[in-house]
Amino acid sequence: DTGVSQDPRHKITKRGQNVTFRCDPISEHNRLYWYRQTLGQGPEFLTYFQNEAQLEKSRLLSDRFSAERPKGSFSTLEIQRTEQGDSAMYLCASTAGPGVGETQYFGPGTRLLVL
Amino acid sequence: AQKVTQAQTEISVVEKEDVTLDCVYETRDTTYYLFWYKQPPSGELVFLIRRNSFDEQNEISGRYSWNFQKSTSSFNFTITASQVVDSAVYFCALMRNTDKLIFGTGTRLQVFP
Repeated sequence: DTGVSQDPRHKITKRGQNVTFRCDPISEHNRLYWYRQTLGQGPEFLTYFQNEAQLEKSRLLSDRFSAERPKGSFSTLEIQRTEQGDSAMYLCASTAGPGVGETQYFGPGTRLLVL
Repeated sequence: AQKVTQAQTEISVVEKEDVTLDCVYETRDTTYYLFWYKQPPSGELVFLIRRNSFDEQNEISGRYSWNFQKSTSSFNFTITASQVVDSAVYFCALMRNTDKLIFGTGTRLQVFP
């Protein structure tokens, strides 16, 4: 049973470029979450999906951010016109079941550096 | 307000010492869930334990133990006979009646040989 996987693991980009990250949840997990973690801080919730439906978005998710989960399996997180403040670790998690109270299992993260 | 406080930013111990990581949470909900995760240098968050608000029974898993006290809104984590492999950042997290995890700022544990 494989865990949550994320790709790429590291990304360096120049300010103003667009980047896209991918997350593959644990097989048959219907809920998928994105979090952002900046240096020295705990992860902060960005958004989550139940199957292909995006159910909630944080105020942290500006208009430059978009997330999709088109077939209810993998998800992508795109950042347009990146800014230096977007530099962070982007973590994906998944869970089975109804969501509330369920354990979220995390992937290894994508570490983004915007120059 | 919902909040998790991990007041200890960094703890250093020598191998075989016992160490306790503190976690204090704030919530007005009667139903909530508490978690501990470990984040080694590789970056992946590793799940350690989940507790719901109705279960105050302490738990022991090998060298790890957790003390949940609703009276003081604390969910502390103790590592007995620490090892170098325990070196990591440890996060305490709260989940209310939503799916979102609210994390503390973490405690970096360094175990020296």
